Order: sequence, then structure tokens, then C-alpha cells
Amino acid sequence: RKEVEQDPGPFNVPEGATVAFNCTYSNSASQSFFWYRQDCRKEPKLLMSVYSSGNEDGRFTAQLNRASQYISLLIRDSKLSDSATYLCVVKGPEGGSYIPTFGRGTSLIVHP
Amino acid sequence: NAGVTQTPKFQVLKTGQSMTLQCAQDMNHEYMSWYRQDPGMGLRLIHYSVGAGITDQGEVPNGYNVSRSTTEDFPLRLLSAAPSQTSVYFCASSYAHVPGQGRREKLFFGSGTQLSVL
Repeated sequence: RKEVEQDPGPFNVPEGATVAFNCTYSNSASQSFFWYRQDCRKEPKLLMSVYSSGNEDGRFTAQLNRASQYISLLIRDSKLSDSATYLCVVKGPEGGSYIPTFGRGTSLIVHP
Repeated sequence: NAGVTQTPKFQVLKTGQSMTLQCAQDMNHEYMSWYRQDPGMGLRLIHYSVGAGITDQGEVPNGYNVSRSTTEDFPLRLLSAAPSQTSVYFCASSYAHVPGQGRREKLFFGSGTQLSVL
């Protein structure tokens, strides 16, 4: 089975801190990469896609390293509202389709 | 535009009972899927569909059936509920399942169903 691995945490950081999460994937044929955010007892929601050149959205920066098969998420100037579980998602070929595989998530707790 | 509508939100079953979880989307998405989420296990794919009339098994399909008779609907059937099927279930859909399509690959999730099997 294709694997997507994440450190479950929790990462416990103060407001204003910078925190980084990594995610490794085993399927070298994977072609699409994403970070989703999930609040407690809620559905996951797309935070950002991850592109080969790296991409930034405000305080969030995502990077992809195909050679080492990992993606990362950097959050700068953490806010209390950033507290959530961050899910790494990798999409690769399964038979004739392309299936998103979710990591188990990394829990972030931002405290005052 | 309602997005992905998933019902019921909560359900309690006795072992051996059957039921259907409903999922409907009004965005003309080609890809629909069902996940279950257990503590410490992340989201695991049960079944998926890349279009009306096409379904396939995911990682944990045993004990579940699906059908896709229309683009909009993708119901999940529990044939004979077991305590191991106690979980939170999410339906998700997207415009495209083929990579390289950017935002069209975004998964939209229903609000989830908390299922308990006694």
C-alpha cells in the first residue's frame, strides 16, 4: 500500500512562533500534493496545493522535494486560530485512476 | 449551491442492521468518494467513483457497497453493521481526479456522519 507519513505531534507553540511540518510519501509516481486543515469534529478543508516550485499563501509556505519524496508546510507568526490538525494529501496512480491518500495528520496547538 | 450534502449526521445501529449513508453534490463533480476516520488512523478510503456508472474499491471496502447511478448521488450501504464499523464517515467530491488540474482537484467534504454500532 502507498504510504503517507506524518509526525502526529502535537506541536505546542506560543502565538507568533514559526512552526514547520513535514510529510513523506512512498509512491514515487505521485503527482499532486496538498495540505488540508481539519478542525476538531469537522470536515477537512483545503489549505493549499503544493507545487514543485514551492508556493506561499500569506503566512503559509509549502514546499515539495521530489528527490527525497517529502512535502513541508511552514506557518509563520502562528495565531490561536491556527490550532487544528494538518493533513498531508498525496495523489498518485492506483490502477487506472488517481486516488488521494491522506496522512494521519499533525496536530498543532497554539497557546497565548 | 449547497456543496456536498451528507446525511444523517448521527446514527446508532445494532449489530447486523443495515443502513444507507446518503451523499449528494450539486457541483457536477465527476469524482466522489467515501472515507472513514478513526482515532489515530487518519482518513481511509472505502470506495470511490470517477463518474456515473463507475465505482471502485478503496483501502477498506469490506462490509460496504456503493453505486453511482447519477452524477449527483453516491450512497454508501452498510450491509450488516458490525462494531468495527463504528467511525466517522465523510463523503468527498471533486471536479477532477486526474492530476495536473490545480484547483479542480480540490476535495469538497460533507459534514460527516458519526456512526455507532452496538
